[in-house]
Amino acid sequence: KQEVTQIPAALSVPEGENLVLNCSFTDSAIYNLQWFRQDPGKGLTSLLLIQSSQREQTSGRLNASLDKSSGRSTLYIAASQPGDSATYLCAVTLYNNNDMRFGAGTRLTVKP
Amino acid sequence: NAGVTQTPKFRVLKTGQSMTLLCAQDMNHEYMYWYRQDPGMGLRLIHYSVGEGTTAKGEVPDGYNVSRLKKQNFLLGLESAAPSQTSVYFCASSPGTEYQETQYFGPGTRLLVL
Repeated sequence: KQEVTQIPAALSVPEGENLVLNCSFTDSAIYNLQWFRQDPGKGLTSLLLIQSSQREQTSGRLNASLDKSSGRSTLYIAASQPGDSATYLCAVTLYNNNDMRFGAGTRLTVKP
Repeated sequence: NAGVTQTPKFRVLKTGQSMTLLCAQDMNHEYMYWYRQDPGMGLRLIHYSVGEGTTAKGEVPDGYNVSRLKKQNFLLGLESAAPSQTSVYFCASSPGTEYQETQYFGPGTRLLVL
């Protein structure tokens, strides 16, 4: 059974710091991995999607890497800002293409 | 273009009552999904649909039923609500093309079962 774990559960950093969020999964037979952002009381917004054949994706200050063989992904946020405060979730899509398994998320607080 | 909308935003039920959550999308997406999110846990898939008239079970389907009579709507029903169904419910949709694309999420429905 695919299990997705995110560490740490919560993280607080001062503004301007670079940070890394971690995601691990138990079964490497995935179609892709996604990182989402969730603001309090809101739905999820997709940040980056990495196909299983890719190693990383970048969007602005965000960079996500994927090491399928070790079952790990990282989300790197450069020069963090208070507006980055949110919960970040990673999810893997199973090979049946219709089932995503989510981690519990990392709650990030960026202090001014 | 409203994206994915959910109705209602919040609801309180008593144990044994029934209700239907409505999800609507205006992006002409083929695939639609219902998830629940509980504290300290990731989202878990309840049911999904790969097209009008089709439904399938996800990871945690027990106690729920769904229907997809129209392409743009996906209904989630609770026939006899239980306190264990207290959760935040999210609907999502995706294009359903050959290459997996991201899912687009609604704002969620917060359900409290007393």
